[in-house]
Amino acid sequence: GAGVSQSPSNKVTEKGKDVELRCDPISGHTALYWYRQSLGQGLEFLIYFQGNSAPDKSGLPSDRFSAERTGGSVSTLTIQRTQQEDSAVYLCASSLRLAGYQETQYFGPGTRLLVL
Amino acid sequence: AQKITQTQPGMFVQEKEAVTLDCTYDTSDPSYGLFWYKQPSSGEMIFLIYQGSYDQQNATEGRYSLNFQKARKSANLVISASQLGDSAMYFCAMRESIRDDKIIFGKGTRLHILP
Repeated sequence: GAGVSQSPSNKVTEKGKDVELRCDPISGHTALYWYRQSLGQGLEFLIYFQGNSAPDKSGLPSDRFSAERTGGSVSTLTIQRTQQEDSAVYLCASSLRLAGYQETQYFGPGTRLLVL
Repeated sequence: AQKITQTQPGMFVQEKEAVTLDCTYDTSDPSYGLFWYKQPSSGEMIFLIYQGSYDQQNATEGRYSLNFQKARKSANLVISASQLGDSAMYFCAMRESIRDDKIIFGKGTRLHILP
């Protein structure tokens, strides 16, 4: 079946502009995660959605970052007034949240954001 | 404080040798899960192996095995008979408690397999 998809695959924007990044999770997956990966670095947790519960926004680096998930499926990560330090790969992952821990996160290919 | 620590930023290993990638973690919850992911230069994240805190045996998946030492809070990944295609970044990750669905990642280890 289809995996996690993200769009756009690449985005170049000017400092100060707003950008929207989209994630389509695997159908039926209740959990959706956003991560940021700067060049050569590890994954930085941003936000997590699980079903109809309030999202865990504890990783969002500033109030310029926000995310929503409509209808429990597609998610959009919005960065307002972009800064050069926002340049990174933004990865989305989804999983079928079960009672235990063993479900695997399936990652999308990422969106490479470059802020000039 | 770091919840997941990978102390080896880079490693060089001869092809066909076994390699151990270190990972230590920090959680006060008795119920947690540990994951290893591989990220080749293409950028995709590939799930390798999972270990639950209550699992009695160390997890194995083909050439991958997890050396889980609970008392030391250590979950090292062992790759047997390394291949050139194993060259990649490797990330250790943890879901640290039943009350927190968040999965956090270490900074990774870049593995280079030499021919």
